[in-house]
Amino acid sequence: QVQLVQSGSELKKPGASVKVSCKASGYTFTSYAMNWVRQAPGQGLEWMGWINTNTGNPTYAQGFTGRFVFSLDTSVSTAYLQISSLKAEDTAVYYCARDRTAAAGLIDIWGQGTMVTVSS
Amino acid sequence: DIQMTQSPSSLSASVGDRVTITCQASQDISNYLNWYQQKPGKAPKLLIYDASNLETGVPSRFSGSGSGTDFTFTISSLQPEDIATYYCQQYDNLPTFGQGTRLEIK
Repeated sequence: QVQLVQSGSELKKPGASVKVSCKASGYTFTSYAMNWVRQAPGQGLEWMGWINTNTGNPTYAQGFTGRFVFSLDTSVSTAYLQISSLKAEDTAVYYCARDRTAAAGLIDIWGQGTMVTVSS
Repeated sequence: DIQMTQSPSSLSASVGDRVTITCQASQDISNYLNWYQQKPGKAPKLLIYDASNLETGVPSRFSGSGSGTDFTFTISSLQPEDIATYYCQQYDNLPTFGQGTRLEIK
């Protein structure tokens, strides 16, 4: 079946970096864009951006430029989110989510989420 | 950015009740509007896409309507398993989510 499996929880110190992985299975990875969505503790959903899995071209939402990088390894059907210079306010669950459309929009399959905790 | 305003922010209803949530866009988004259900500790789940289309496998008690700036999500007969937070999301432009509606059983 179609699924996205994300890497496990991370505990990082401020200033460190983290790389979250999202492995797709059950469909052709390069046929669907991949979104990233953040959910801070007790808060709503925030769209971070998406990456074209065919071209590797990323688009970042406002507020997610500079320290956030989306990347791919199409040979293993995996998308990555890297966050550098971590801050306490980066503490959140990060979801990868498949896009049914050609561009960012109709999110139909979600990963289980990866909790990233930033604390000294 | 297009702002999405959901109301109410929380809602308490009884099993069997008809439940309605509204979502207003800050500008015309045609029908590029989706609804998601998120249960505690779980990832969101797509219920309705393009304002009124029921995602495969989703019970028919869920429905959506609207176009332009005003949208409605309805549960025709609330079930205990429907306890969750519901989000609208537009994708006429770069996606944005509403702030969510927490639904509780009375």
